[in-house]
Amino acid sequence: NAGVMQNPRHLVRRRGQEARLRCSPMKGHSHVYWYRQLPEEGLKFMVYLQKENIIDESGMPKERFSAEFPKEGPSILRIQQVVRGDSAAYFCASSPPSPRVNTEAFFGQGTRLTVV
Amino acid sequence: SQKIEQNSEALNIQEGKTATLTCNYTNYSPAYLQWYRQDPGRGPVFLLLIRENEKEKRKERLKVTFDTTLKQSLFHITASQPADSATYLCASDGGATNKLIFGTGTLLAVQP
Repeated sequence: NAGVMQNPRHLVRRRGQEARLRCSPMKGHSHVYWYRQLPEEGLKFMVYLQKENIIDESGMPKERFSAEFPKEGPSILRIQQVVRGDSAAYFCASSPPSPRVNTEAFFGQGTRLTVV
Repeated sequence: SQKIEQNSEALNIQEGKTATLTCNYTNYSPAYLQWYRQDPGRGPVFLLLIRENEKEKRKERLKVTFDTTLKQSLFHITASQPADSATYLCASDGGATNKLIFGTGTLLAVQP
């Protein structure tokens, strides 16, 4: 059973370009969470999605950031017009359908975005 | 706002000793706390979960406590090994959607 798969592992973008980060949850999981980890900081929640639905986007910046989890295919975190401050590690976590309260999160290896 | 704090200073101990890491929370009462291990360049890996009505939880050489009076969780690694060297993250529930609130982590270095 493959774990949470994220790609690319490393992504370099110039300021003003778009960054697309992909996350395929564990087999059988239909809930996806995105977190951002800045250098010397903890992981910060960004968004929680189920298939075709955004459940909680309270941690998403108001502009330039969007996320989707289509019926088919991976979840996508999109950052438009990237700036240097977007440089960070972005982690995806998944959980099974109807997640029980108090359940562990399964994390991917992350995508490290560098904006130059 | 809800806040989780961990000692940002690295913890250096000798192999075979017990490592104790601290996690404090403020401004809320979490239903549970989780501990994760994170190695450089890797994603967090779940270790233990302890609920608010549990005082202590054990798993092999790991032990976690939850003190709701002190608003604190302690994470212990007994008989520590150099392979235990990593950053350890404390996390709590962040509401009904199962999102997690993380501390900044504590770097543990076990010297042979």
